[in-house]
Amino acid sequence: GNSVTQMEGPVTLSEEAFLTINCTYTATGYPSLFWYVQYPGEGLQLLLKATKADDKGSNKGFEATYRKETTSFHLEKGSVQVSDSAVYFCALPNNAGGTSYGKLTFGQGTILTVHP
Amino acid sequence: DTGVSQDPRHKITKRGQNVTFRCDPISEHNRLYWYRQTLGQGPEFLTYFQNEAQLEKSRLLSDRFSAERPKGSFSTLEIQRTEQGDSAMYLCASSPRKTGSPLHFGNGTRLTVT
Repeated sequence: GNSVTQMEGPVTLSEEAFLTINCTYTATGYPSLFWYVQYPGEGLQLLLKATKADDKGSNKGFEATYRKETTSFHLEKGSVQVSDSAVYFCALPNNAGGTSYGKLTFGQGTILTVHP
Repeated sequence: DTGVSQDPRHKITKRGQNVTFRCDPISEHNRLYWYRQTLGQGPEFLTYFQNEAQLEKSRLLSDRFSAERPKGSFSTLEIQRTEQGDSAMYLCASSPRKTGSPLHFGNGTRLTVT
């Protein structure tokens, strides 16, 4: 089945630093790819998505580009803020067609802490 | 949009006891999902409903687990004869049927089995 590997370990940055969180996937075909975020005390919410190769998803200053050559969907932000402190999850559908937005396989999550 | 509501927020139970969790999805959403999340891991899919029909169950859902959505609105997840390995965060999510709609998650129910 489809799987996703996310960079391990928490990330700690100073405000305005550049952020990259790596995500690589294994899948049949070209499924949609997602980044979900979980802020402290809140439920997971969709941050951004890309539905086909070379698409760039973006939201709240975050970007991720669907790279089929490297099977990657790395999350980036040019200047992080304290309010970006959260847990970030890379995800993809685990149905055969890679089209389900509800039945997802998630990475293990990356804890981001941003200090003032 | 009042969001997905889960109850209780926390549940502590002794091994062997039965527990039941409730999820109230966003009212106009006809799809409802249950996920389980253990410490340091991402959520894992358990099962999902479209209206009152349970359309898919993960192999993770042993015969001690049962989920219902009797009227196509709220859902319950019951775990019978709980084991310590059942300790986890149980997440509920909902979405409308429209293709491409993202999941809306609740805050989860944290289960601790002692």
